Amino acid sequence: SQTIHQWPATLVQPVGSPLSLECTVEGTSNPNLYWYRQAAGRGLQLLFYSVGIGQISSEVPQNLSASRPQDRQFILSSKKLLLSDSGFYLCAWSVLNGIGEQYFGPGTRLTVT
Amino acid sequence: DAKTTQPPSMDCAEGRAANLPCNHSTISGNEYVYWYRQIHSQGPQYIIHGLKNNETNEMASLIITEDRKSSTLILPHATLRDTAVYYCIVKQNQGGKLIFGQGTELSVKP
Repeated sequence: SQTIHQWPATLVQPVGSPLSLECTVEGTSNPNLYWYRQAAGRGLQLLFYSVGIGQISSEVPQNLSASRPQDRQFILSSKKLLLSDSGFYLCAWSVLNGIGEQYFGPGTRLTVT
Repeated sequence: DAKTTQPPSMDCAEGRAANLPCNHSTISGNEYVYWYRQIHSQGPQYIIHGLKNNETNEMASLIITEDRKSSTLILPHATLRDTAVYYCIVKQNQGGKLIFGQGTELSVKP
């Protein structure tokens, strides 16, 4: 069966520090991969998605970047965190050209202080 | 922008059916209706999706009106563990992006 991992689960970082969040998927090949952010309360915002190694699409301009160095690995990064980067970061995967549902990881709660 | 409209909150008694409505009056012919839910501090969970026929799985039933402008997610016997935010989303089945609105916060009460 397929599983998706994210780490760390929680993170507290000072303003101006770098960030690296990792997401890995097991049990599937060539998945679509996604990074979402959920700021205060409800409402998920799609940040990045990837249809293959090295292929990244950005949905909103921001202080963050994403990379996909391996088929089932997706990394979210920042060189210098802002207070507004605080939130709940979720990674998701879907079957490439499949029937569309996405499967979400457990998330990383980031607090920038 | 989300293409759906949902009530912000609903209550349901434990053991009763929870009927969550969603309006999607601008849905196009190749767009499906998807439902997800998010339990507090967890990632969203896929529930069900459909195009025009009613669908049922082990979690819920999805009733889509004939004109496809609205739908209802039915949890037949709600439990306390069904307390969550429920999101109704329309998107193309192949590709497309999930655009989450504000959803409906369902509270199941004993």
